[in-house]
Amino acid sequence: AQSVTQPDIHITVSEGASLELRCNYSYGATPYLFWYVQSPGQGLQLLLKYFSGDTLVQGIKGFEAEFKRSQSSFNLRKPSVHWSDAAEYFCAVGLNTGGFKTIFGAGTRLFVKA
Amino acid sequence: DADVTQTPRNRITKTGKRIMLECSQTKGHDRMYWYRQDPGLGLRLIYYSFDVKDINKGEISDGYSVSRQAQAKFSLSLESAIPNQTALYFCATSDRTYITDTQYFGPGTRLTVL
Repeated sequence: AQSVTQPDIHITVSEGASLELRCNYSYGATPYLFWYVQSPGQGLQLLLKYFSGDTLVQGIKGFEAEFKRSQSSFNLRKPSVHWSDAAEYFCAVGLNTGGFKTIFGAGTRLFVKA
Repeated sequence: DADVTQTPRNRITKTGKRIMLECSQTKGHDRMYWYRQDPGLGLRLIYYSFDVKDINKGEISDGYSVSRQAQAKFSLSLESAIPNQTALYFCATSDRTYITDTQYFGPGTRLTVL
């Protein structure tokens, strides 16, 4: 069965430090991969997506993610975290199975300390 | 103005009551979705609609029903609310002309069933 795993329920980093959020997926075919961010009291917003081509994808707000087929991973990174990055981050897999659907991971909550 | 709106934003109700959550969008998208979000579980798909005449159950449709009144409107109903339906509910839309089906989320409705 298709699934998305985000191993870290929450992560705390210092402002200015680098960030990596992990995501692993289980899907037999070529995946469509997404990272969404949910700020407090807000809906989800797309950060970036991958569906083909260069495996290093640039997104908004200085985020990037790298698709590694051999590891079934799509980890999100940012070189220097800002306090405004504190939010919940969701990895998702898009499935094209007679209609496009998205499966979300459970999310990783990011805390940023001064 | 927001592209995807949800009403109400917050609702407290009692067990057994019928509740309707409404979603409207101005993006002109054909596809609309209802998700619920529970802590530690991420987003789970309740129902989705690929056009006005197409309604599909998601992974957790029991206890819910939907109505696609128009391209722009997609309502979620709880016929007889129960406490374990207390959650944050999101509506989302996507445009089927995009292969990667980016979803655009509303701000959410926080529902509490007492």
